[in-house]
Amino acid sequence: DVKVTQSSRYLVKRTGEKVFLECVQDMDHENMFWYRQDPGLGLRLIYFSYDVKMKEKGDIPEGYSVSREKKERFSLILESASTNQTSMYLCASRGSIAYEQYFGPGTRLTVT
Amino acid sequence: SQKIEQNSEALNIQEGKTATLTCNYTNYSPAYLQWYRQDPGRGPVFLLLIRENEKEKRKERLKVTFDTTLKQSLFHITASQPADSATYLCVLNSGGYQKVTFGTGTKLQVIP
Repeated sequence: DVKVTQSSRYLVKRTGEKVFLECVQDMDHENMFWYRQDPGLGLRLIYFSYDVKMKEKGDIPEGYSVSREKKERFSLILESASTNQTSMYLCASRGSIAYEQYFGPGTRLTVT
Repeated sequence: SQKIEQNSEALNIQEGKTATLTCNYTNYSPAYLQWYRQDPGRGPVFLLLIRENEKEKRKERLKVTFDTTLKQSLFHITASQPADSATYLCVLNSGGYQKVTFGTGTKLQVIP
């Protein structure tokens, strides 16, 4: 079974802090994704990566950056957390020829 | 602008009946459409994919239809069970192979 893990289930940070969210997948997938999910807005794509060191902006990249130094690991960075980044963050991975995405359990981030 | 519409109101259905969820879209020409299940506090789980040249797809008690003329997909769960209670997300590819867009989901409640 594909397993996608995220570093924290719950996180509370203060405004202005730098925040790192980590995601690890164990299926050697080329593609990895970061989404945020907010009530009434659904999942929105922040960034995705199709290979090591490669990244592309999604629909809402402002205020975020990403890092993919190893194939199995994709990190989301909030350089200076703000209250409007309080959300559920979901990481996903996908193989090179498949369409379905495998999601991690999510990190509920609260910025106060 | 592109839009995916899923019934935002919860769908309540008696155990044993068939649940039918609707996904309508505008200004898309998706090559494929997916359905995911999401339980509270968890990441979405892939259920089914249907391509634009397929009218219907089945998997156990699940059936998906895809009408590109009506720009609509229907998701059916036959012989519904309380364990089927969850939010179901419709997902369209929205920018080549990599990008998909998620609907906001319909919450299904199966009443014993």
